[in-house]
Amino acid sequence: GQNIDQPTEMTATEGAIVQINCTYQTSGFNGLFWYQQHAGEAPTFLSYNVLDGLEEKGRFSSFLSRSKGYSYLLLKELQMKDSASYLCAPLDSNYQLIWGAGTKLIIKP
Amino acid sequence: DTGVSQDPRHKITKRGQNVTFRCDPISEHNRLYWYRQTLGQGPEFLTYFQNEAQLEKSRLLSDRFSAERPKGSFSTLEIQRTEQGDSAMYLCASSHAVTGREKLFFGSGTQLSVL
Repeated sequence: GQNIDQPTEMTATEGAIVQINCTYQTSGFNGLFWYQQHAGEAPTFLSYNVLDGLEEKGRFSSFLSRSKGYSYLLLKELQMKDSASYLCAPLDSNYQLIWGAGTKLIIKP
Repeated sequence: DTGVSQDPRHKITKRGQNVTFRCDPISEHNRLYWYRQTLGQGPEFLTYFQNEAQLEKSRLLSDRFSAERPKGSFSTLEIQRTEQGDSAMYLCASSHAVTGREKLFFGSGTQLSVL
C-alpha cells in the first residue's frame, strides 16, 4: 500500500531552526513535494526533490533519500508567519500525488 | 494569468440538496484535479482530468459525486443529495503534466457546509 508518515504537530521558537521529517511508501516514485498550508487556505508549493540530496531555497531546504524512503523539510530563522501545516507528498508511478495528513507547526515568540 | 480560480468560496446547503462547484485552471495546464480536505487531514484525492478525459476517480467516491471538464478547460464538481458528511473544503488544482514534474497549483477552495 501507499503510506506517508509525518509528526502530527511540532512546536518551535521564533528565530530557531526546525526539521520536519517524512517517511513514505509508494507504488513507484517520481519525486516528492513539500507544500505549506495556512489554516483555511489552499496548499502552496514549497519544494520538489527528485534526486537524492539537499535542495536549498532561501530559509527553506528539503532533503531526499530515495533508498530510505525519507525526506525532511528544514526551516531556518523561523518567523511567526511560518506557523502552518506542512504536507509531504510523494509522486507515485502514475504521477499522482500521495498526501499525508501533514505536520502542524506552531511557532512561539 | 491569475492562477486557479474556484467558485463559490463558501456554500451552505441543506441536507438532500444538490450543489455544484466550478474550477477554472491555469490556462495552459492540461491536468485538473479535485481534492476534498477536512480539518487536520491532508487533501483526499477525488478525481482528475487530462484535458477533457476523466482518467481516474477515487474508489472512495460515491456515485453522488460527478465531475466534468467538457472542453478541457474549466471543470465542475456536482454533489447530489448532499449529506452532513460531505461538509469539507473542496480544492481544485491544475498542472502542466508534460515533463512529469507534477507541480500542482491550487485554487482557494470551496468550503461546503451541509446543515
